[in-house]
Amino acid sequence: EPEVTQTPSHQVTQMGQEVILRCVPISNHLYFYWYRQILGQKVEFLVSFYNNEISEKSEIFDDQFSVERPDGSNFTLKIRSTKLEDSAMYFCASSEEASGSLWNEQFFGPGTRLTVL
Amino acid sequence: GNSVTQMEGPVTLSEEAFLTINCTYTATGYPSLFWYVQYPGEGLQLLLKATKADDKGSNKGFEATYRKETTSFHLEKGSVQVSDSAVYFCALRGVSGAGSYQLTFGKGTKLSVIP
Repeated sequence: EPEVTQTPSHQVTQMGQEVILRCVPISNHLYFYWYRQILGQKVEFLVSFYNNEISEKSEIFDDQFSVERPDGSNFTLKIRSTKLEDSAMYFCASSEEASGSLWNEQFFGPGTRLTVL
Repeated sequence: GNSVTQMEGPVTLSEEAFLTINCTYTATGYPSLFWYVQYPGEGLQLLLKATKADDKGSNKGFEATYRKETTSFHLEKGSVQVSDSAVYFCALRGVSGAGSYQLTFGKGTKLSVIP
């Protein structure tokens, strides 16, 4: 069964460093998402991406964040200068988004735990 | 904006007990509603969904009914098992306009089932 994969599973970094979190969405999906979950808190939407551009983003997704689909398979989230409060589990998701559908299931990856020291 | 309010946890039940996790929402129009489950050490998995009023989503013995009049989508299971121990998230997705693709989650309810 197709699945979303994410690497690494755990990333430890120093405050101020840049990190890139990687995701491989399901191959025929068209929409891609990043969410994060700070320990013990709710899952929060960061950004959605379609047709090589951002379609929606939350207030959390400020200038320190960027997303890219550098090739036909990977989808990345970059944090330019990490802060302590960026420590969280980051989930990638993808969906098919066929036109005319009322909804399309978002399939989530297993997450990358980012620890900023 | 959209929001989801979910019953606070943690919830501890004995095996074969009845489970209810309350979820209410605020949204314009007719959002789609979901329950996701997160098992220890894993990502989010879709448990069930409902896309319009009075729809009942069901999967693995879990059920939830989309109640437009009470803006609720409570999760129920008649007889829980130890393997149901996980965190359960209620979520919604708007129909159109800004925020139409993002999922808005509740805070999650941790369920522990003891033998």
